[in-house]
Amino acid sequence: DAGVIQSPRHEVTEMGQEVTLRCKPISGHNSLFWYRQTMMRGLELLIYFNNNVPIDDSGMPEDRFSAKMPNASFSTLKIQPSEPRDSAVYFCASSARQVAGNTIYFGEGSWLTVV
Amino acid sequence: AQKVTQAQTEISVVEKEDVTLDCVYETRDTTYYLFWYKQPPSGELVFLIRRNSFDEQNEISGRYSWNFQKSTSSFNFTITASQVVDSAVYFCALSEESAGNMLTFGGGTRLMVKP
Repeated sequence: DAGVIQSPRHEVTEMGQEVTLRCKPISGHNSLFWYRQTMMRGLELLIYFNNNVPIDDSGMPEDRFSAKMPNASFSTLKIQPSEPRDSAVYFCASSARQVAGNTIYFGEGSWLTVV
Repeated sequence: AQKVTQAQTEISVVEKEDVTLDCVYETRDTTYYLFWYKQPPSGELVFLIRRNSFDEQNEISGRYSWNFQKSTSSFNFTITASQVVDSAVYFCALSEESAGNMLTFGGGTRLMVKP
């Protein structure tokens, strides 16, 4: 079975440019998460969706960040305009249900560098 | 206060040594779940184990074992006869019933196994 699929795997962009990260969750999973990993802050939850509806976006850093989930098999995380401090690994993850204890499976990450 | 603390930021061992990675958590929920994930040098996050708060039995899977002790709020991970392929960053994480299925991660422990 395919796992969580993220694209692009690596992106280098210039400050001020728009960045769009894409995610396809595991088929049949109802919950989707976006995490960010940096050396300074570790793994932080940015936003999560349940049944395509955003449930908690309190981790989204600022208005430059937005996330959408137009259907059960696709989500995007957009940064506009990007800044060097946005350089990080962005992980998408999914789980079968929005219930505590459900195992969350992660994609391979999108490595973003903003220069 | 941090909900998940991994006090060891980096551990270095020689192949075939046993090594224990510590994880201490904090929660007021009576129902919660604990996880361990592995992040190898390639960067992906790999699920290793999930434990619920009502099951304090230790678990063994090959060279891996986990010791869950509610009395000390700890969920430690031991690798027996470590191998170079075990070199990775290991994350402990907590999911609280009151928070749905959001994961809170510890800061991670980087394990280096030298030949």
